Amino acid sequence: GENVEQHPSTLSVQEGDSAVIKCTYSDSASNYFPWYKQELGKRPQLIIDIRSNVGEKKDQRIAVTLNKTAKHFSLHITETQPEDSAVYFCAASKASGSRLTFGEGTQLTVNP
Amino acid sequence: GAGVSQSPRYKVAKRGQDVALRCDPISGHVSLFWYQQALGQGPEFLTYFQNEAQLDKSGLPSDRFFAERPEGSVSTLKIQRTQQEDSAVYLCASSLASDGYTFGSGTRLTVV
Repeated sequence: GENVEQHPSTLSVQEGDSAVIKCTYSDSASNYFPWYKQELGKRPQLIIDIRSNVGEKKDQRIAVTLNKTAKHFSLHITETQPEDSAVYFCAASKASGSRLTFGEGTQLTVNP
Repeated sequence: GAGVSQSPRYKVAKRGQDVALRCDPISGHVSLFWYQQALGQGPEFLTYFQNEAQLDKSGLPSDRFFAERPEGSVSTLKIQRTQQEDSAVYLCASSLASDGYTFGSGTRLTVV
C-alpha cells in the first residue's frame, strides 16, 4: 500500500519568513495530493491540492509543487503570519474523493 | 447541512463498554470515510462507503469495529468492548466523487 513520509516534524519560523514542508510517497499510482491544516482541537481543513498532471499550483501565499518522477511534493508558505501556526498534513491518493494516506504532520510555529 | 456533523463531540467509555459514533455527511455527498487520529499523528483510514455500500473496510483494526450507512446518508461507527488503545479522535469525511474531502470536527473517544 501507499506510504507517505513528511518532514520536518516541527518547524519554527519568524513572521514574514517562508516555510517549506516536504513529503515523499511510495505508490506511483497516486495522482492526487492534498494538504490539510489542523489547528489544535479542530478538524483538518483542505488548504490546497494538486493533481499529477500539474507540476505547481499557487493560491495567494501558498504553493504546492509536485515531482512525479522523484515521488515527492512540497508545500511552500510565503510571508508567514502567526495565524499560520498549526499542524500541516500532506496526503496522497489514487484519485480525489478516494482513500487518503496521510503523512505524520508538521507542527509549524510562526513567531511574531 | 452546511458541513459534516459528528456526535457526540466527546465520549468517555469504561473499558469493555460498547460505543456508537455518528456522522451526518454533507447532503448529496455519496462518499463517506472514517479515519482514526491518535494524538500527535496523522489520520489513518478505517473504512469507506459509496452511498450505502461499504466498499473498503481494510483499515478497521479488529472485528470489534463495525460501520454502517444503511440509507446512504448518516453513518455510524460502532466499537464493541472498547480498549484503552481505542482512545483517539474519530474523524468522518464526505466528498463528491471528484472533489476533496470535507472533514467533520471528530469525536474524541477516551477509554478509561
